[in-house]
Amino acid sequence: EVQLVESGGGLVKPGGSLRLSCAASGFTFSSYTLNWVRQAPGKGLEWVSSITSTSSYIYYADSLKGRFTISRDNAKSSLFLQMNSLRVEDTAVYYCARQGVYLAHAFDIWGQGTMVTVSS
Amino acid sequence: EIVLTQSPGTLSLSPGERASLSCRASQSVSGNYFAWYQQKPGQAPRLLIYGVSRRATGIPDRFSGSGSGTDFTLTISRLEPEDFAVYYCQQSGTSQWTFGQGTKVEIK
Repeated sequence: EVQLVESGGGLVKPGGSLRLSCAASGFTFSSYTLNWVRQAPGKGLEWVSSITSTSSYIYYADSLKGRFTISRDNAKSSLFLQMNSLRVEDTAVYYCARQGVYLAHAFDIWGQGTMVTVSS
Repeated sequence: EIVLTQSPGTLSLSPGERASLSCRASQSVSGNYFAWYQQKPGQAPRLLIYGVSRRATGIPDRFSGSGSGTDFTLTISRLEPEDFAVYYCQQSGTSQWTFGQGTKVEIK
């Protein structure tokens, strides 16, 4: 079964850091671009970051202003998101999502999400 | 950054009716890099339409997408009970992927 499973969420104080992980299974991880998308409570979807299959190209939402770093380990079929200088407004469910091949950059597989709460 | 504006915010319809959801981009979306997603409460989004008009695997043919440039539409020909959900449009024609704010399709 093709699957993405996020972990690493939790409660953190403003200014703190957190590292999210996404474990993939059921497909050739190293062939796909992966993304992080977040959703604040009761709000819509917000794209966070994207990393191509060999990490050659990395993109971030302009709003993040360099606080987040995406990375991947193809040998371990894992995607990561290092989040620093966290703010209350970063509180959200964070999803990892696979960008399908030949799907015009659409996200065809999503994880179940991991909740990040930034609060004092 | 391309801003996507969805309308209406909420659509109140009955099962069996036709739903038409709009998404307007602040500038032209290049390369047909446009998609629609469905999200139900407590669940991750699900890809419905990619490349403007192509249905994703397993998506029933009552869902269809159309449009070009800055104006895109998702049509659900006859609403089934399981179709009541929130729908998001997305563009990925630049290095900044963006989503619309969502349209909620609710039971009238």
